[in-house]
Amino acid sequence: NAGVTQTPKFRILKIGQSMTLQCTQDMNHNYMYWYRQDPGMGLKLIYYSVGAGITDKGEVPNGYNVSRSTTEDFPLRLELAAPSQTSVYFCASSYATSGNRADTQYFGPGTRLTVL
Amino acid sequence: QKEVEQDPGPLSVPEGAIVSLNCTYSNSAFQYFMWYRQYSRKGPELLMYTYSSGNKEDGRFTAQVDKSSKYISLFIRDSQPSDSATYLCAMGDSSGGYNKLIFGAGTRLAVHP
Repeated sequence: NAGVTQTPKFRILKIGQSMTLQCTQDMNHNYMYWYRQDPGMGLKLIYYSVGAGITDKGEVPNGYNVSRSTTEDFPLRLELAAPSQTSVYFCASSYATSGNRADTQYFGPGTRLTVL
Repeated sequence: QKEVEQDPGPLSVPEGAIVSLNCTYSNSAFQYFMWYRQYSRKGPELLMYTYSSGNKEDGRFTAQVDKSSKYISLFIRDSQPSDSATYLCAMGDSSGGYNKLIFGAGTRLAVHP
């Protein structure tokens, strides 16, 4: 049971390039999330998904896109990378039985992205 | 004003000390309170989960919630070098419909032998 896996671990992009950060979970969780973590700023939610085919914006969605075609995978797409997107990106998942409580979120190891 | 405030530290203590980590919040709708531990270059992992005011103990760790003061704490007894990490508080309510959590900035803790 690998939990939440993310690839790549590190990446350097040039301004204007695009890339996809991969996230896979093998816990059959229905909810998945993408966060970014900047120094001293905590975790900010970019996008989330409550199930295959359903996604919605979080707090900081600009410059990113997501899709969720399967329960296991939740890729994050960066189009036209900018230096402001330099950050550590974490994918997380949880099994929510209802929207009426905050369930434990399990995090992947992160992707360190630098945009130069 | 941020919804969740957490002193980023760093906090440096000798091995065996009692550590107190704290967060304050402004949203009275928060009902669920968590502490995550994050080792360097790793993802956060859940350490403690509490619901409503009061204390919850798990080994050397005690989580305390005071809803009237909008203040939560994590106490670590007999701290060990292996406790050196960043500790993030996180809070949620039932109104988001999608398991929304708001995270503090994290407090960096170093326990030296």
